[in-house]
Amino acid sequence: SAVISQKPSRDICQRGTSLTIQCQVDSQVTMMFWYRQQPGQSLTLIATANQGSEATYESGFVIDKFPISRPNLTFSTLTVSNMSPEDSSIYLCSVAAGTTGNEQFFGPGTRLTVL
Amino acid sequence: KQEVTQIPAALSVPEGENLVLNCSFTDSAIYNLQWFRQDPGKGLTSLLLIQSSQREQTSGRLNASLDKSSGRSTLYIAASQPGDSATYLCAVKAAGNKLTFGGGTRVLVKP
Repeated sequence: SAVISQKPSRDICQRGTSLTIQCQVDSQVTMMFWYRQQPGQSLTLIATANQGSEATYESGFVIDKFPISRPNLTFSTLTVSNMSPEDSSIYLCSVAAGTTGNEQFFGPGTRLTVL
Repeated sequence: KQEVTQIPAALSVPEGENLVLNCSFTDSAIYNLQWFRQDPGKGLTSLLLIQSSQREQTSGRLNASLDKSSGRSTLYIAASQPGDSATYLCAVKAAGNKLTFGGGTRVLVKP
């Protein structure tokens, strides 16, 4: 399995500001994934982050709004830029690991409220 | 485009009753299917992973089946307990390690 930690666990931010969320994994992984869960909704993939290359964004998500860093095989950051109340969500970091290498594990999430 | 549906959206049962949660998906070209549990405001806990070549997986009181040809999976929880109250999510994995999630089933087990 993989143990994932995220910082901060929650934050309340003002409109127009930016927040950087950190994700740390206890083992080296090739791909890290960032998901968003809007209130009362299921999870939506934002982007896939590979070490040493640009992140791959899903339809509807752009790098200017959600820049991602992946400096090494155990760490990634997601920034939510120029926030609006619509960005209020839980943001979750995820990796594929386990004995098969394709079981998905998730961090505890970052609960973001934008006023 | 893969679509995943979970029925029912919510379920309330008395303690001790068996739970049956359904998940259906539209594209059978999957690598695996995974069931998760999510407590309010928390992250996801992996419950069971079923590879595309498998038909079921079991862990304690939990049993999940997979019928890839018909695009269905069922999660059974035997002898439910109040601690089983949570939202249960199924997700299918296809090319590129991408997960597509269902909308979830919110379960309440009443003591």
